[in-house]
Parts: sequence; structure tokens; C-alpha cells
Amino acid sequence: DAGVIQSPRHEVTEMGQEVTLRCKPISGHDYLFWYRQTMMRGLELLIYFNNNVPIDDSGMPEDRFSAKMPNASFSTLKIQPSEPRDSAVYFCASTARPADEQFFGPGTRLTVL
Amino acid sequence: KQEVTQIPAALSVPEGENLVLNCSFTDSAIYNLQWFRQDPGKGLTSLLLIQSSQREQTSGRLNASLDKSSGRSTLYIAASQPGDSATYLCAVSPSYNTDKLIFGTGTRLQVFP
Repeated sequence: DAGVIQSPRHEVTEMGQEVTLRCKPISGHDYLFWYRQTMMRGLELLIYFNNNVPIDDSGMPEDRFSAKMPNASFSTLKIQPSEPRDSAVYFCASTARPADEQFFGPGTRLTVL
Repeated sequence: KQEVTQIPAALSVPEGENLVLNCSFTDSAIYNLQWFRQDPGKGLTSLLLIQSSQREQTSGRLNASLDKSSGRSTLYIAASQPGDSATYLCAVSPSYNTDKLIFGTGTRLQVFP
């Protein structure tokens, strides 16, 4: 398996633009997590899915953020409109069972100018 | 609210030294604790997972211990090597929601030749 795949790896955009981050979990993993990492706040859980259903989105900072998982092999995190304070590294992770080892993707480094 | 702290924030040691990284958490009601490694510009790699009923786990030169009652975990690295240079993060899975991970602030380790 290729592991968790994220795209793009780097994204530079201007304030106000829509940004879409993509994730493909490891095949067979029923849990998918979106995290955000910044110097100030460290690694924070934004939202996670079980069997394509959002379970907990309490970490989503604002209504500008939304996430979907239309099928077991694909998820998106969208920011609309983007703001400079959204600049961070966004990670996707997946696991087969709750509280089991999580496998992380390489991350998407987002810069909002 | 569960908070996870890691001390020190940064550590620089010569090759060959044995070293200890510390992780503390405020709520002892955890399901498990994981140690991760993060290389610059990359995602996280799980190193060790300790269930709440366990006291320690070992993998090669790494040994992680858990004292749940005191809210502490340590990661022991024996005979450190330059290839061990990375950021090490601990994360706890709280008992109230075993799906989630709450991450510490990380310890940035540099091992010089």
C-alpha cells in the first residue's frame, strides 16, 4: 500500500480564495482524521470520519471550514474563503480501528497571502 | 480538559548518549498513549503505542514507559544516532472518546556526530 496520500503537497493562495485539500486513506481503514499543525497551537484535530460519516467536527475552527468523505477512498477539506491565519500544515491520517496506531500522510503546507 | 505537555521543547546531544524525553498529561483517564516521530517537512510516524494497562513498550533502541496514575510517560532512546534527529510527539487517547488523539507540544531532538 502507498500509505495515506495527500494532495497538493504545497498550496499558495491569496486571501479570499477557496482552497481544497485532498486525502486518500489506506485501503481498509474505516477511520479518517484531519489535523492542522501550527507553531503556535501544535497539532490539532479538526474532524474525523468513521465509515465515511463525520463523527466529531468540534475542532473545525469556523464555518469557513468544511470536510466531506463521499466514499471510503477519498476525503476533502475545504476552506472558503481562506484567510492568512489559515496558513498551516494540514495532515490527514487513517486507522483501521479506534485508538489503534494512526498512519499519517505527508501533509499539505498551505500559505494564504 | 486533557492537556499534554512535553519537556524539554528542544534537546541537543552528542552521538552515543542515552536520553529521555518526557510527556505529562493532566487527566489520567486515558485509553492509550502513543509516541510519534516527525521529520522536517514530513508526516508523523508512530513509534510505540502503550495501552493504559501496560507499563512499557520496547522497539529496538526505544523504550516507552507509562505511569498513568501520575500522568507521565517517558521515551528512552539508547545509544542515540544522528538519524534519530527529529521532533518527537506524544499523544493520548482519552477514555471519554477513544477515537481521538490529543497531542503534546513536541520535543525537537538533534543528535550531532
